[in-house]
Order: sequence, then C-alpha cells, then structure tokens
Amino acid sequence: EPEVTQTPSHQVTQMGQEVILRCVPISNHLYFYWYRQILGQKVEFLVSFYNNEISEKSEIFDDQFSVERPDGSNFTLKIRSTKLEDSAMYFCASSEEGASTGELFFGEGSRLTVL
Amino acid sequence: AQSVTQPDIHITVSEGASLELRCNYSYGATPYLFWYVQSPGQGLQLLLKYFSGDTLVQGIKGFEAEFKRSQSSFNLRKPSVHWSDAAEYFCAGSNDYKLSFGAGTTVTVRA
Repeated sequence: EPEVTQTPSHQVTQMGQEVILRCVPISNHLYFYWYRQILGQKVEFLVSFYNNEISEKSEIFDDQFSVERPDGSNFTLKIRSTKLEDSAMYFCASSEEGASTGELFFGEGSRLTVL
Repeated sequence: AQSVTQPDIHITVSEGASLELRCNYSYGATPYLFWYVQSPGQGLQLLLKYFSGDTLVQGIKGFEAEFKRSQSSFNLRKPSVHWSDAAEYFCAGSNDYKLSFGAGTTVTVRA
C-alpha cells in the first residue's frame, strides 16, 4: 500500500540552526500538507501546498518557515533559524483531492528537538 | 471560526466495554468530518469520514460515528473495545485546503 514517508525520523539541532524536514508524498497525490504536534498538545496545521504554491498557511507558519517541492517526488519543510519552541513532531500529509473531499494520508512524523 | 472540539481529555474504559468519544463542530455550513487515531509513537490513521448522506458512518477497526446536525456533534463509538484500541483519538473538520484537529482524547483500556 502506498504511503507517505518522512526523513529524518528524529533530528536534534542547536538553536539558531537551519533544519530541513523531508517528505515523499504518495505519487499520484496533488495536495501536500505539514502539521506539527508539540508534545502533549493537539495536532496543528502549518501549511497546505497545491500546484506549486502555498494554498493556505497558519499563523504559526511565519517567515522562519518555508516549503518547497524541489522535484517531482519530495516536499520539504525548512525552518531557517530554529527556536526552542520549534521542538515538536512534524507530520507531512498528502491527498489526491483537496482536504474537504479527500482523505489525508499522514507520514509517521519527524521529531525535531531543538537544544 | 471553524473548529472542532473534543470535550473529554482522557477516558478510561474496561476491555470489552463500549466506548463513545465526543466531538462537536462549529462550521458555517455542513462540514466534512473525520476521526483519526494515533497510536503511541505512530502517525495518524484515518478511522472514518463523513461527507454527506447517511448520518451513521462505518469505519475501520469496528468503529462507527454518528453525525447529528441538531447537536453539532460527530461522536465516535465502538461496541466492545480491545486493549489495542488504547491510543489518542482526534476528531477533525475540513475546508478545501486544510484539516483542523480537535485537542484529542486519550483512551486507556484496562484489563
């Protein structure tokens, strides 16, 4: 069964460093998303991406964050200068249709620890 | 604002007993609603979804949910829980571009 894969599974970084989290969505999907979950808290929407541009972003997704689809298979989330509060589990998701009608398939997450 | 609310933070249930998890939504129009499950250390798995039509929807792992417009609710149920059902359960609602999650309900299953 096709699945969304994320790398790395866990990354530890120093505050102020740049981090890139990678995702390989399901191949025929057109909509891509990043969510994050701070330990013990709810899953929060960060950004959605369609047709090579951001469709919607939350207030969390400030100028420190960016997303890119550098080739036909990868979807990346970059945090330019990490802060302690960026420590969280980051989930990538993809869907064949938009979120209102299509099921989102989630990866297993990338745990980011900022020291 | 469009949102879903899960009033129960934590529920403990005995194995074999029934389970009901509450979810209330606040959307201008009839929303698209989902239930996801997250097992410890795992990603999110879709249990079931409601778009329109029948108000009782069946999902995987023996779960079902009932959409009640009059109560703005979409509660998840399972007649008989198994120890493997211990997990975090998230209700979610969507518009075209994003899925918004409730705060989650942690389910503990005791023997």
